[in-house]
Amino acid sequence: ETGVTQTPRHLVMGMTNKKSLKCEQHLGHNAMYWYKQSAKKPLELMFVYNFKEQTENNSVPSRFSPECPNSSHLFLHLHTLQPEDSALYLCASSTSPDVTGELFFGEGSRLTVL
Amino acid sequence: GQNIDQPTEMTATEGAIVQINCTYQTSGFNGLFWYQQHAGEAPTFLSYNVLDGLEEKGRFSSFLSRSKGYSYLLLKELQMKDSASYLCAVSRSGGSYIPTFGRGTSLIVHP
Repeated sequence: ETGVTQTPRHLVMGMTNKKSLKCEQHLGHNAMYWYKQSAKKPLELMFVYNFKEQTENNSVPSRFSPECPNSSHLFLHLHTLQPEDSALYLCASSTSPDVTGELFFGEGSRLTVL
Repeated sequence: GQNIDQPTEMTATEGAIVQINCTYQTSGFNGLFWYQQHAGEAPTFLSYNVLDGLEEKGRFSSFLSRSKGYSYLLLKELQMKDSASYLCAVSRSGGSYIPTFGRGTSLIVHP
């Protein structure tokens, strides 16, 4: 079992659908992150949670709504998305965002918005 | 803000050596990461440099010059499985240490 697990791996949705991405980490970390990865662009940090509390929202549109019920689980709720939101959404975890440490990534959820 | 530059794509031959460069400009520097990402897979940690100099880890080495805002990842004895994207990421000092990523360098290793 990998350290960070994301489901679903692939998702196709229309612009009026509501769907959710799920992330689970088994590493005992306190911090969890959502990143967006688009072709030819750097990884973009979206949200940061530390001990279940959101500590960063990187000016993400409200059609993306994160939820962190505990330090092991992270969700990204999707609503009325746009075609330009099609991308790979990566979840990551680390010991803490307040100390230097490597990020452990999941394999991502490939989202296509029609 | 931060600006991180690395080449978009590189090609190399199996068995050869390749150097992937990364330059950065940042207000406050804490350290520099390199990650490897195979197509369709999660990025995985390769190295972290805080001090100037070369860190060697098997076939992979990473170099940092803080004064020049420059790093490189050196891959020796290239193998086909080294074909992947290599991401340079900079961690700032003061406040959050969350790294900011470059666009990544796609390395293609051919026979």
